[in-house]
Amino acid sequence: SQQGEEDPQALSIQEGENATMNCSYKTSINNLQWYRQNSGRGLVHLILIRSNEREKHSGRLRVTLDTSKKSSSLLITASRAADTASYFCATDSGNTPLVFGKGTRLSVIA
Amino acid sequence: GAGVSQSPSNKVTEKGKDVELRCDPISGHTALYWYRQSLGQGLEFLIYFQGNSAPDKSGLPSDRFSAERTGGSVSTLTIQRTQQEDSAVYLCASRPQAGGEKLFFGSGTQLSVL
Repeated sequence: SQQGEEDPQALSIQEGENATMNCSYKTSINNLQWYRQNSGRGLVHLILIRSNEREKHSGRLRVTLDTSKKSSSLLITASRAADTASYFCATDSGNTPLVFGKGTRLSVIA
Repeated sequence: GAGVSQSPSNKVTEKGKDVELRCDPISGHTALYWYRQSLGQGLEFLIYFQGNSAPDKSGLPSDRFSAERTGGSVSTLTIQRTQQEDSAVYLCASRPQAGGEKLFFGSGTQLSVL
């Protein structure tokens, strides 16, 4: 079964607005990662947050992690049309495969 | 190469035929993963290789699926007697070691079984 579950499944916003996506998971983790996928092909790593971290920033991306609630959020600020893609969270529990959620499809309308 | 390379990019086959999908990971990466993604869905784990250890085959959906990794580098995913439900994008990823690092993905193989 899927470890990470993203919410919402789909999100449509205007260019310049912020986009927030959430991820919930079930078991303990070493780190949580967010990936982006364009056109249903290869995924690109965006950001990794370790279990002892609560917040991390990278450019227009902000990730939070709440291990007590087993949840994470990805915020994209000042969105652009080029941010249109699917976004996946993935949990890493150590020497096991990353487990991916079903993703959030983000549409940014110019 | 600079990134993870997968071939072919697209494969159309007839039901019942066997197919082989190839993955060439980033040089030096000891961990290699195969995932499957059906249309509009998330990634489904198939199989995982780590160095010389026995592969984790727990995600393979049936005994028609198998994979090998030769010389700790190139991997081949084989699907025997393909079925229409095998149609999906097959994604390969690698990383330097088993845990704690990001995955580098190939562009995938779009498999269509007619």
